[in-house]
Amino acid sequence: KQEVTQIPAALSVPEGENLVLNCSFTDSAIYNLQWFRQDPGKGLTSLLLIQSSQREQTSGRLNASLDKSSGRSTLYIAASQPGDSATYLCAVISNAGKSTFGDGTTLTVKP
Amino acid sequence: DAGVIQSPRHEVTEMGQEVTLRCKPISGHNSLFWYRQTMMRGLELLIYFNNNVPIDDSGMPEDRFSAKMPNASFSTLKIQPSEPRDSAVYFCASSPNGQGDGYTFGSGTRLTVV
Repeated sequence: KQEVTQIPAALSVPEGENLVLNCSFTDSAIYNLQWFRQDPGKGLTSLLLIQSSQREQTSGRLNASLDKSSGRSTLYIAASQPGDSATYLCAVISNAGKSTFGDGTTLTVKP
Repeated sequence: DAGVIQSPRHEVTEMGQEVTLRCKPISGHNSLFWYRQTMMRGLELLIYFNNNVPIDDSGMPEDRFSAKMPNASFSTLKIQPSEPRDSAVYFCASSPNGQGDGYTFGSGTRLTVV
């Protein structure tokens, strides 16, 4: 059974810092991995999708990497802003199409 | 594209009542997913459909829960009878195909059973 862990559960940084969020998974037989952002009381917004054959994806200040062999993905946020404050979730999708979500990392960026 | 549309946004009902949640996926997406999110258990996949056919319903917690997808543009999740422990946010998501070429989520339905 796939297990997805996100550490830390919460992170607080001053504005302008670069930061890394971690996602680890136990079964490396994945189809793809997706990072989401969730604001309080809102739905999930897709940030980046990495196919299993890819090593990384970039969008603006965000960069996500994937290392299947070690069961890890990271989300790098450059020059953080208060508007980046949210909960970030990673989802691992198996070859059978089943998704497993981590519990998320709640990020607070202080002005 | 209006994205994945869920209704209602909020639902408050009394224990024992039937609750029906609705979802309209993105046009052209072949797969539809129902999730439940709670503080205790996080985000859980309840069921997913591919081409209107239920593929995996192993996440459906009890027989009180049922889901249908009568056509490519509409799905329902029904709880009958509802219980207070069903209180959660229910999300619907769709993707272009069953193996998840990226999920798009709806805004969710916040269900409160009193």
